[in-house]
Amino acid sequence: NAGVTQTPKFRVLKTGQSMTLLCAQDMNHEYMYWYRQDPGMGLRLIHYSVGEGTTAKGEVPDGYNVSRLKKQNFLLGLESAAPSQTSVYFCASARGTSGRGGPYNEQFFGPGTRLTVL
Amino acid sequence: DQQVKQNSPSLSVQEGRISILNCDYTNSMFDYFLWYKKYPAEGPTFLISISSIKDKNEDGRFTVFLNKSAKHLSLHIVPSQPGDSAVYFCAASHSTDSWGKFQFGAGTQVVVTP
Repeated sequence: NAGVTQTPKFRVLKTGQSMTLLCAQDMNHEYMYWYRQDPGMGLRLIHYSVGEGTTAKGEVPDGYNVSRLKKQNFLLGLESAAPSQTSVYFCASARGTSGRGGPYNEQFFGPGTRLTVL
Repeated sequence: DQQVKQNSPSLSVQEGRISILNCDYTNSMFDYFLWYKKYPAEGPTFLISISSIKDKNEDGRFTVFLNKSAKHLSLHIVPSQPGDSAVYFCAASHSTDSWGKFQFGAGTQVVVTP
């Protein structure tokens, strides 16, 4: 099992450019999450999904869009990148309430994408 | 407003000694807590958890203590090993959140020296 994978690992964008980050998981997890990590701020939730075809806003959703067309994939889009979106982005997945542990499932993280917006 | 705080950004400890990492939270509804460990260029990995019905959970060299009245938890690593050098994140959730969302602290960088 590859677990959670993220593509790409690194990217440099110019202000105003767009891009899509791909997250894939092979654990048949229901829940998926996108976080950003900034110095001194910890991990902040951008968007999340509790099942195929569903998405919801997290703590810092502005400037981002997401889609979950397939259960195993969760895409994060930046339509018009800004320097404030320079960050490390992590995707995570969790079993969800269909498995043991109910809503307390641990989250499994991908290796991250380092994005720089100039 | 950060609801989970790790006030020590870094900690240096000698190999073989105890590492104590602290975490404070402000939301009294939090009732489930996790610690994650993160190496450079990797994603966080789950380390240990505790629910509010307990005040201690132990897994090998790692023990988490929960003081609900003080809204404080701590992670003890005994004995510390060089491979423990990493960033440790505290995370909190509450049972009324059905979607498994967690609030994360800013992390504590642990360096274990020989």
